[in-house]
Amino acid sequence: EVQLVESGGGLVQPGRSLRLSCAASGFTFDDYAMHWVRQAPGKGLEWVSGITWNGGSIGYADSVKGRLTISRDNAKNSLYLQMNSLRPEDTALYYCVKDRERYGNYYFDQWGQGTLVTVSS
Amino acid sequence: DIQMTQSPSSLSASVGDRVTITCQASQDIANYLNWYQQKPGKAPKVLIYDVSNLETGVPSRFSGSGSGTDFTFTISSLQPEDIATYYCQQHDNLLFTFGPGTKVDLK
Repeated sequence: EVQLVESGGGLVQPGRSLRLSCAASGFTFDDYAMHWVRQAPGKGLEWVSGITWNGGSIGYADSVKGRLTISRDNAKNSLYLQMNSLRPEDTALYYCVKDRERYGNYYFDQWGQGTLVTVSS
Repeated sequence: DIQMTQSPSSLSASVGDRVTITCQASQDIANYLNWYQQKPGKAPKVLIYDVSNLETGVPSRFSGSGSGTDFTFTISSLQPEDIATYYCQQHDNLLFTFGPGTKVDLK
């Protein structure tokens, strides 16, 4: 059974940093691209960032470019999101998401339950 | 960047009704269009990928069509368990955009 378990969320002040982690199990992690998708309270889905199976290519939404950094450690079956210079508009539930193939150009077939990030003073 | 629009933003329908949602891309996205269902308090779930391909295990009352910039998602006979918000999504070389969503509830 595929499991994606996010951690690292919490309350943080504007301008500070946070690192999210996602522990993956139940599939061959380094065979698939991975993504972060967020959802602000009561709002729609926003794709944040994606990374190919080997980390060779990375994409970011314009809204987070230069502040958020995605990475992965295939030896640890883990996905990360380093979040710097956080803003109140980054407040959201952050989902760890598995792509259907290696290069991150298909669809999202497995989702975690999310970790909540709240940016507020 | 490619922008996605959906209509309507919400709708009410009765059990057994045919429900149609449209999604429009700001430029040609060929067939790179997926549909997701999100029930309240739950993570989204893919229903349809590449315009019209049904994900394994998804009931056949769900279908999709379209190409280029205009796409349609249909529930042929609405069931109570279909109450959810539906999102279209385009993908283009490791860049993804979701539509704003369509909330479907029971009349």
